[in-house]
Amino acid sequence: QVQLVESGGGVVQPGTSLTLSCAGSGFTFSSYVMHWVRQAPGKGLEWVAVISYDGSKKYHADSVKGRFTISRDNSKNTLYLQMHSLRGEDTAVFYCARQYRSSSLFFYGMDVWGQGTTVTVSS
Amino acid sequence: QSALTQPASVSGSPGQSITISCTGTSSDVGGYNYVSWYQQHPGKAPKLMIYDVSNRPSGVSDRFSGSKSGNTASLTISGLQAEDEADYHCSSYTSSSTWVFGGGTKLTVL
Repeated sequence: QVQLVESGGGVVQPGTSLTLSCAGSGFTFSSYVMHWVRQAPGKGLEWVAVISYDGSKKYHADSVKGRFTISRDNSKNTLYLQMHSLRGEDTAVFYCARQYRSSSLFFYGMDVWGQGTTVTVSS
Repeated sequence: QSALTQPASVSGSPGQSITISCTGTSSDVGGYNYVSWYQQHPGKAPKLMIYDVSNRPSGVSDRFSGSKSGNTASLTISGLQAEDEADYHCSSYTSSSTWVFGGGTKLTVL
C-alpha cells in the first residue's frame, strides 16, 4: 500500500545537527512533489519545506531557511531533511507528506502523510 | 510568512452544521484557489479533507465542503457526527512558492 515512513528523530542538544529520512513505497516516488511539515507539542501544523519531483526546485519556510535543507534521492525512494543549528523551538513531530496528483494533474493538497518522527532539542 | 487565522475552537451538536473560517491575505488565500483542509485526531497524522478550495479526495464524506470568498476560506461540516471531533487545519499556497498553515481549530461535538 501507499506509505511514507519517517526516521531519524531523537533528542539532541541545541546547536547540533540531525538528518531526517522519509522512505516512500507503494507509489512512483519520483513522480511526486514532497513536503516536510512539523508540529510542536500542543501546536498547529507548520510547513517546513517542499521539493519538486526531480529535486530541481526547493523552497523553505523563513523560520528554517539557512539552517534546514530538503533533498531527495529518487533511486532510493527517500526524502531527506538536513537540520543544522537546532534550537529549542525546533522541537516537534516532523511529518513528510506527498502532494496530491491524479494522472498528469497536480493539485494543492497533501494526500499521504507519514506517522511522524519526533525531534527534541534540549540541553 | 504569517500563519493563516483560524478560530481556536468551534462546537456543535450531532446533526448540526458548523463552519470553520481560515483568513489569510491576497498573497495566499486570496490570490490562489489552492486552499486545503486537514483533519487530525489526537496522536494521528493529518488527513486531507479538501484540496483546491472545494474538492474532496476520493473516500471523504460529502458532508465536508469547502469554499472561499476573498481572503477567507471556509470548511463546512454538515450532519455533525461524533467521529468528526478532531482538530482541523487549513493551508494555502503562497506567492513565494511556499505553503502556510493556519493555527488549527478544535472541533467539539457536544
